[in-house]
Amino acid sequence: DAKTTQPNSMESNEEEPVHLPCNHSTISGTDYIHWYRQLPSQGPEYVIHGLTSNVNNRMASLAIAEDRKSSTLILHRATLRDAAVYYCILRDGQFYFGTGTSLTVIP
Amino acid sequence: DAGVIQSPRHEVTEMGQEVTLRCKPISGHNSLFWYRQTMMRGLELLIYFNNNVPIDDSGMPEDRFSAKMPNASFSTLKIQPSEPRDSAVYFCASRRDINLYNEQFFGPGTRLTVL
Repeated sequence: DAKTTQPNSMESNEEEPVHLPCNHSTISGTDYIHWYRQLPSQGPEYVIHGLTSNVNNRMASLAIAEDRKSSTLILHRATLRDAAVYYCILRDGQFYFGTGTSLTVIP
Repeated sequence: DAGVIQSPRHEVTEMGQEVTLRCKPISGHNSLFWYRQTMMRGLELLIYFNNNVPIDDSGMPEDRFSAKMPNASFSTLKIQPSEPRDSAVYFCASRRDINLYNEQFFGPGTRLTVL
């Protein structure tokens, strides 16, 4: 199974951009890169996904390296409600979540 | 749509008792997943069904755990007998498998405490 590596935790000031990195050096050509987040006391929720090109949606942007061995989830203006654990996952039939990055947003 | 529904939301039981967790996936979704989340191990996939058939149960920790999906709108995860180390939050998720990138929708989880 292709695996991902993320920092255990990160901090950001409110209303500043946040860049959450993910390394996936063993990614295969058909693996989509997915990001989910888990707010406190809730189940994970979908954030964004991509294959090769950078992607934008109302929640975030996903920047994918040209060799696809890493990606970065970008929250353009962090709010207190963005404090969560963020998971970077490679789709391989089903999802293997790992432990993710715990994001703290400082007011 | 009400989303993925799980019951009960909280369960407290004593060691040795049988525990049954229930899940109703989103209508029209043909894949269903059971996950377990603990502080030590994070979010782990236990079992995955596609069109009501178990596809991968390699994450089921031991024979005390069993899961069924008798129809497209209902699944159960049973622990018999339960042990304190089974205490965790159990999530059910469902997905409509059309493309390789379809998202999973998670339920609110069942918090299980085994005393």
